Amino acid sequence: AQTVTQSQPEMSVQEAETVTLSCTYDTSESDYYLFWYKQPPSRQMILVIRQEAYKQQNATENRFSVNFQKAAKSFSLKISDSQLGDAAMYFCAYRRPTMNRDDKIIFGKGTRLHILP
Amino acid sequence: DTGVSQNPRHKITKRGQNVTFRCDPISEHNRLYWYRQTLGQGPEFLTYFQNEAQLEKSRLLSDRFSAERPKGSFSTLEIQRTEQGDSAMYLCASSYLRSGAGGAFFGQGTRLTVV
Repeated sequence: AQTVTQSQPEMSVQEAETVTLSCTYDTSESDYYLFWYKQPPSRQMILVIRQEAYKQQNATENRFSVNFQKAAKSFSLKISDSQLGDAAMYFCAYRRPTMNRDDKIIFGKGTRLHILP
Repeated sequence: DTGVSQNPRHKITKRGQNVTFRCDPISEHNRLYWYRQTLGQGPEFLTYFQNEAQLEKSRLLSDRFSAERPKGSFSTLEIQRTEQGDSAMYLCASSYLRSGAGGAFFGQGTRLTVV
C-alpha cells in the first residue's frame, strides 16, 4: 500500500526567507502524481503544486517549487520569499494515475508552517 | 461555477442521532471523494464515486456510514447512531477523470460535533 510521510510536524520561517518542507512516499508504481496542498486555519484545502512522476523537470508555481527525487521517493516543497499568508498546514499527497480505479489521494499527516514577522 | 460546495458547514448533534451531509461537486467532475479529518491530522480517505458508482469504501467506514451519489451529481454522507468518535471535519472533493495530473478540488468541509 502507498504511504506518505511528512517528518516535520511544525516549522517556522522568517518572513521573506526560504523554507523547505520534506515529504517521502512509498510506492511500487512507476507512474503516479504528487501534490502539495495548503490548508489555512479554518479554511478550505487548496492545491499548491503538482508533479507527474514521469516528468523529470521539477514543477514550479511562482514562489513555490518542488525537488522531486524519484529514486529516493522524495518530494520536498520550497517556498521562497515567505509571506504571512503562507502560514498554514501543508499536506503532501500521492495519487495513482486517474485512469486507474484505485486513484484515491493519500495524504501525509501535514506540516504546520509558521511565518515569523 | 463556484467550486465544491458542502452543507451544512457545522453540525452539532447528540450521540445516537443520525446526521446527513451534502456535497455538490464541480459540475463537470465525475469523481467525488469523501474524507475525514481530525484536528492536526491529514485527511483520511472514506469513499469515492465515479459518476453514480461507489468504487471503494475504506475500512474506516463502519456500517453506520453510508454514502450515495444518485444520478452522478451531488452526494450525501449519512452517519447513523452517531458516536463521540465521529466528531471530525468531513471533507468532500471532486476531480475530472481524464484530467491527467489534476488533483482534486476540495469543499470547505462540514464540521461535526457529537455531544
